[in-house]
Amino acid sequence: SSELTQDSAVSVALGQTVRITCQGDSLRYYYASWYQQKPGQAPVLVIYGKNNRPSGIPDRFSGSSSGNTASLTITGAQAEDEADYYCNSRDSSGNHLVFGGGTKLTVL
Amino acid sequence: QVQLQESGPGLVKPSETLSLTCTVSGDSISSYYWSWIRQPPGKGLEWIGYIYYSGSTNYSPSLKSRVTISINTSKNQFSLKLRSVTAADTALYYCAREYSESSSLYYFDYWGQGTLVTVSS
Repeated sequence: SSELTQDSAVSVALGQTVRITCQGDSLRYYYASWYQQKPGQAPVLVIYGKNNRPSGIPDRFSGSSSGNTASLTITGAQAEDEADYYCNSRDSSGNHLVFGGGTKLTVL
Repeated sequence: QVQLQESGPGLVKPSETLSLTCTVSGDSISSYYWSWIRQPPGKGLEWIGYIYYSGSTNYSPSLKSRVTISINTSKNQFSLKLRSVTAADTALYYCAREYSESSSLYYFDYWGQGTLVTVSS
């Protein structure tokens, strides 16, 4: 399969922890990367690989994976974390890229 | 700091060819994978295809018959052509650099700000 599946929407109370998941066969072979997209802005890489954060990404963002599922966890969600989150990886062939459908995160 | 900038017409007529260029600054294009990604209004991200600095390409199976991506290393640019466009091709088009740390780890570390292309007569 060349698809990555995400929940369409998730909500979290301010300061609480939220996990956003991404499922797909290709995740057994390739690490996922995660992107945050706020309205009117380009996506920004927040997590890549096993659990790596680019410079400037707060350490409340973390990643994990098991089998065909990758997860993005925000520990102590802040109002500014409200955004759409997309996962991405190569497909099982390694020749194409796929994105999950995106998860809209609401911080209550 | 690596920067990517998309350029091209913002309006294309149905059945014509959409042409965009991405200009890379701050690093040589002669390395990495370079992708085009699009996002229809209010929808998610869709990968269109990539070109490796060597010139090899791979395209989304759903768009392969209409897409050509090329690279000009002397100008540090790569380009997208999408033929026979329809209203369904209206989207924000992004160019992005894909970095490969290993055979199992790839990620987009730099993105352009995106350019809106509308298909309409």
